[in-house]
Amino acid sequence: DAGVIQSPRHEVTEMGQEVTLRCKPISGHNSLFWYRQTMMRGLELLIYFNNNVPIDDSGMPEDRFSAKMPNASFSTLKIQPSEPRDSAVYFCASGGATQSGNTIYFGEGSWLTVV
Amino acid sequence: AQKITQTQPGMFVQEKEAVTLDCTYDTSDQSYGLFWYKQPSSGEMIFLIYQGSYDEQNATEGRYSLNFQKARKSANLVISASQLGDSAMYFCAMREGQGTNAGKSTFGDGTTLTVKP
Repeated sequence: DAGVIQSPRHEVTEMGQEVTLRCKPISGHNSLFWYRQTMMRGLELLIYFNNNVPIDDSGMPEDRFSAKMPNASFSTLKIQPSEPRDSAVYFCASGGATQSGNTIYFGEGSWLTVV
Repeated sequence: AQKITQTQPGMFVQEKEAVTLDCTYDTSDQSYGLFWYKQPSSGEMIFLIYQGSYDEQNATEGRYSLNFQKARKSANLVISASQLGDSAMYFCAMREGQGTNAGKSTFGDGTTLTVKP
C-alpha cells in the first residue's frame, strides 16, 4: 500500500513568494495532520482535519498560513507570502479510525527553504 | 490539555545492550493512544509501536516494547539488543480518543539515541 505522499520534497523559494505544499493521505484514513519541524521549536502541529473538516487550527502561526482539504485524498498547505522564518520541514500525516488502533503515519516531509 | 514529557535529551547505549527511553504523559482523557516514532538522520518519521489506554498487556513489536504504566502515566520504550542503525531521534506521542473518536495528537521533544559500537 502507498504511504502518505507529499510534494514537493524540496523547495527553495524567495521571500514573498507563495508556497504550496501538497499531501495525499493513505487511502481510507479519515484524519490528516500538518506538522512543522524546526531545530528551535521541534515538531509542531499546525492543523488537523477529520473527514475533510478542519478541527483544530490553533497551531497555524499566522494568517499567512492556510490549509485546505477539498476531498479525502488531497490536502494543501499554503504560505503566502513566505518569509525566511518559515524555513522548516513540513510533514503531512494521516491516521485511521478503526477500533484496533489510530496510528498516525507520516509522509517523507517537504523541506522548505525561504531565502 | 495533553502534554508529553521526554526528560532525556540524549542517551548512549552500547551495541547489543538494551536501552529504555522515558516518556510520561498528562491527560484527563480516559481513552487515548500512545505511540513511539523513530526519526533517523535522513529525516523521515517511522512509526514503531502503539499502545491503547485500555490495553492490559504491554505492546511489543520485534525488538521494541512499550512499558505502559497507566497509574504513573508513563509509556517508556525499551529497545532490546541495540543495533548501530537504532541511532536516531525517538519521539513519544499521544493521541486523544481511540477508534472512530480519535483526534488530536501531541508529541514530546524527542530523545537522541546514539548506539556505540
